[in-house]
Amino acid sequence: GESVGLHLPTLSVQEGDNSIINCAYSNSASDYFIWYKQESGKGPQFIIDIRSNMDKRQGQRVTVLLNKTVKHLSLQIAATQPGDSAVYFCAEKGWRGYQKVTFGTGTKLQVIP
Amino acid sequence: NAGVTQTPKFRILKIGQSMTLQCAQDMNHNYMYWYRQDPGMGLKLIYYSVGAGITDKGEVPNGYNVSRSTTEDFPLRLELAAPSQTSVYFCASSQTGGNTNEKLFFGSGTQLSVL
Repeated sequence: GESVGLHLPTLSVQEGDNSIINCAYSNSASDYFIWYKQESGKGPQFIIDIRSNMDKRQGQRVTVLLNKTVKHLSLQIAATQPGDSAVYFCAEKGWRGYQKVTFGTGTKLQVIP
Repeated sequence: NAGVTQTPKFRILKIGQSMTLQCAQDMNHNYMYWYRQDPGMGLKLIYYSVGAGITDKGEVPNGYNVSRSTTEDFPLRLELAAPSQTSVYFCASSQTGGNTNEKLFFGSGTQLSVL
């Protein structure tokens, strides 16, 4: 079946270092991928997305990389800040007539001051 | 522009009680969704709606019902609450769906405990 999963449940990073959060997906038909950030007590918030016809997309301090060959997605956060501490979810969507987004289990990012 | 608003934020129910979780969005979005999030887990889709008067089941619809009488509102109904429904519930919306790439806007969640 379809699944979206993460390699590391918890990631601790020193403030100022770069963070890399990984995600594996199994549905080769997925054509759109999204990263969400969820701070404690809040709903998920969109960070960045990427379509399957791209392998890299950059935002402000964040970069998403897509490797379709090995079905792998990663989120890179440059110069990690304490405000980046949160749970990060990858999600995927494929064409199913209606938008149904499948979420992974999440990675908790802890920034060490 | 408040975005997606959910009420209540917290609720404790006894087994067998019923309740309605409210969700409203003021962005004129066509698509709305209900997810549940169990501790340490990702989000599971309960129900979704592609427009007023149209709803469909997601991954985990059992024990829930929804309605969509207006574009703005998408309430989630629990008829006979069970301990397995203890979770955090998130409502979300998006402008479009289908074969387009549209990010979801989430509410702040409702934490429900069934004892």
